[in-house]
Amino acid sequence: AQSVTQPDIHITVSEGASLELRCNYSYGATPYLFWYVQSPGQGLQLLLKYFSGDTLVQGIKGFEAEFKRSQSSFNLRKPSVHWSDAAEYFCAVGGFGNEKLTFGTGTRLTIIP
Amino acid sequence: DTEVTQTPKHLVMGMTNKKSLKCEQHMGHRAMYWYKQKAKKPPELMFVYSYEKLSINESVPSRFSPECPNSSLLNLHLHALQPEDSALYLCASSQTPGTAGGELFFGEGSRLTVL
Repeated sequence: AQSVTQPDIHITVSEGASLELRCNYSYGATPYLFWYVQSPGQGLQLLLKYFSGDTLVQGIKGFEAEFKRSQSSFNLRKPSVHWSDAAEYFCAVGGFGNEKLTFGTGTRLTIIP
Repeated sequence: DTEVTQTPKHLVMGMTNKKSLKCEQHMGHRAMYWYKQKAKKPPELMFVYSYEKLSINESVPSRFSPECPNSSLLNLHLHALQPEDSALYLCASSQTPGTAGGELFFGEGSRLTVL
């Protein structure tokens, strides 16, 4: 079975501060890992993805994530957050030949001035 | 054109009504998906169409009936729904079936309320 755990339900960060959102996964083979962002009332937008190769992946809007196989983690980071980053963030896992993408429960990010 | 368009954006229906949700993409994608998202929850996969054929049904009740008339269109027919079916229904597409196909492109969703 495949699963994703996002241990932080809600995180509050000051504008300009750094951000790290945690994601742990369980997958029986080589995982494909994704981070999506969802603004209120909107669909989901892909921030970045990891299939193979360099374990540090760069995404849109200044986000990056690091794949650590030994820790089954794929944490999302941003060095300096902007008020527009306030949203719900979902980590997801899939794999080769697997049509099912499994999402974590999400982390809601609030930005304070 | 990198959009997935969903209509209607909002739908209110009674438990005896029949309605449909529509989804359209013109990116040439060969896989299309329906997800259901309850408030403050992650999206849950309902159906996957690969090359216009139903490839995954996640044990969804028969009151939800998907249809893929062609490679650009995906419908979700609704009949005899229950109040607990109220949710945001998200359509998505990907270039090829499977998560190896890379990015899922999501529509903005259809918010369904069942009275």
